[in-house]
Amino acid sequence: QVQLVESGGGLVKPGGSLRLSCAASGFTFSDYYMSWIRQAPGKGLEWVSYITSNGGTIYYSGSVKGRFTISRDNAKNSLYLQMNSLRAEDTAIYYCVREWEVGSADAFDFWGQGTVVTVSS
Amino acid sequence: DIQMTQSPSSLSASVGDRVTITCRASQSISSFLNWYQQKPGQAPKLLIYSASNLQSGVPSRFSGSGSGTDFTLTISSLQPEDFATYYCQQSYSTPLTFGGGTKVEIK
Repeated sequence: QVQLVESGGGLVKPGGSLRLSCAASGFTFSDYYMSWIRQAPGKGLEWVSYITSNGGTIYYSGSVKGRFTISRDNAKNSLYLQMNSLRAEDTAIYYCVREWEVGSADAFDFWGQGTVVTVSS
Repeated sequence: DIQMTQSPSSLSASVGDRVTITCRASQSISSFLNWYQQKPGQAPKLLIYSASNLQSGVPSRFSGSGSGTDFTLTISSLQPEDFATYYCQQSYSTPLTFGGGTKVEIK
């Protein structure tokens, strides 16, 4: 069955860095676009970034562009998010999410359980 | 950016009630609209994709409709396991955006 397992979260000071990882299994990872989506405590969902199946196209939300870098290693079935210059407002649960293309549309069909990032001094 | 506005932000309902949640996009998104359910402490789950298509394994009491800017998620007969927060999401263009959520609570 499809599994997405995030790791790398933790407590970091403002201005610091973290690298999140997501280990995928149960499907052909290299066939799928992947995204990171976050949820601040008690708040709604915010899409952060996505990467196409071969890594050739990447998009970021305006709130993280220039600070975060998404990448993937299809040989290792892994997705990454390098987060630099972290701010208090980056505090959230970060979900690794598979993007499923159906016709010309797409949807987030499988989600990991998330990893918690806390930015605080 | 496309803004997604859900209403209401919360509602109270009883088991067996028919529940309707609406989602409005700030510009036309055709049928590029998905719905998710999130229970406390859990990751979201895909319910409906492309506005009206039921994801595999999702009970048929859930349905979606709409196109353009106005969309609806309907639960025909609310069950105890349906008490959760529901989010709409547009996949028409980046940045991909979500509605603010609708919390369905027990009356």
